[in-house]
Amino acid sequence: KAGVTQTPRYLIKTRGQQVTLSCSPISGHRSVSWYQQTPGQGLQFLFEYFSETQRNKGNFPGRFSGRQFSNSRSEMNVSTLELGDSALYLCASSPRGSYRVGTGELFFGEGSRLTVL
Amino acid sequence: ELKVEQNPLFLSMQEGKNYTIYCNYSTTSDRLYWYRQDPGKSLESLFVLLSNGAVKQEGRLMASLDTKARLSTLHITAAVHDLSATYFCAVDRQNNDMRFGAGTRLTVKP
Repeated sequence: KAGVTQTPRYLIKTRGQQVTLSCSPISGHRSVSWYQQTPGQGLQFLFEYFSETQRNKGNFPGRFSGRQFSNSRSEMNVSTLELGDSALYLCASSPRGSYRVGTGELFFGEGSRLTVL
Repeated sequence: ELKVEQNPLFLSMQEGKNYTIYCNYSTTSDRLYWYRQDPGKSLESLFVLLSNGAVKQEGRLMASLDTKARLSTLHITAAVHDLSATYFCAVDRQNNDMRFGAGTRLTVKP
């Protein structure tokens, strides 16, 4: 069974640009969540999608957005990039539909490492 | 707001020694997870603890959960170099909004 696939793995952008990251979940998983990992702030929750609906959002500015398609694939977009957006962006999938159903275990992709110059 | 605190944040230990990593969290939850991350890699699930008193073991690692104390421990027995990694605990809120601890960077020296 293929794991969570994220593309691109590495990218370099300049301030003010925008970026789109893609995530393909494990087959059958309908929940996709996104996390930002930086040395200073650690792992921070961005948002979670289930059946094309954003169910939860972390404390990030509106420049960070996402969406999920009918095949459960997800994209996240960051507009007007800032130096502080340099991070490893991790996507995780889960089969869980509702809280309390299943173990809640997340399966992470390898991440997209974004560098903003 | 849910806070998850791990200690120690850095741990250097010799092969063959035992040690425990602690994970405290601030609000009620009966689900806790441990993940491992190697440098430059993604997170790998180690343990899923779903109830008070849960204990899971895999090789030289054993995790336990005390929901009343809001505490989980990850015990390392007879450490080997291959265990060198960063270990995260995470507490489940809902809708897969997991709150992670800061991580414990473990280095096992020969």
